Amino acid sequence: DAGITQSPRHKVTETGTPVTLRCHQTENHRYMYWYRQDPGHGLRLIHYSYGVKDTDKGEVSDGYSVSRSKTEDFLLTLESATSSQTSVYFCAIRSTGPSYTFGSGTRLTVV
Amino acid sequence: AQSVTQLGSHVSVSEGALVLLRCNYSSSVPPYLFWYVQYPNQGLQLLLKYTSAATLVKGINGFEAEFKKSETSFHLTKPSAHMSDAAEYFCAVSEPEKLTFGTGTRLTIIP
Repeated sequence: DAGITQSPRHKVTETGTPVTLRCHQTENHRYMYWYRQDPGHGLRLIHYSYGVKDTDKGEVSDGYSVSRSKTEDFLLTLESATSSQTSVYFCAIRSTGPSYTFGSGTRLTVV
Repeated sequence: AQSVTQLGSHVSVSEGALVLLRCNYSSSVPPYLFWYVQYPNQGLQLLLKYTSAATLVKGINGFEAEFKKSETSFHLTKPSAHMSDAAEYFCAVSEPEKLTFGTGTRLTIIP
């Protein structure tokens, strides 16, 4: 299995607080992605990265920012969490083929 | 822009019956197509993928899918459903940099 880990696995936070989710890979892949999963919507792309300091927006990027200062780490930040950001967040990496491998997910609840 | 439509958010079949999950795609370039499965409270697992090598693609757990360019379809089938197939299934299309998902089909198996 591709080495991809997400942290934390579960988080409960209050409305208005900042939250950062971490995705870590061990295989030096160039492309990394953040998705959110919501019932009835499938997985929707938030942001993705195609290299260190190179990122771009997905279809649901409002309220989210990302950073990639090292190849292995891709951080997703909710600057001021809202209840609408309660979701399950998945990180993914892209390898040759192409193949996409997903992390185990982070369940975020904003109360 | 690429997109995926999965017909039927819920599908129920009897154990032993044919499973057919429908997926239609829109893509401006020859696509890479994927089917993923998600079991309750788990991450996404790749079932199979089409990368233009063969139009009939065989995957894990007895599933297969046929790429039909003229119909822009990539339907997933399994000849005989098993109770362990109960899960949510996602079709996805990849253009050079991003993976776009359909909204998913929840498969229920009736004993």
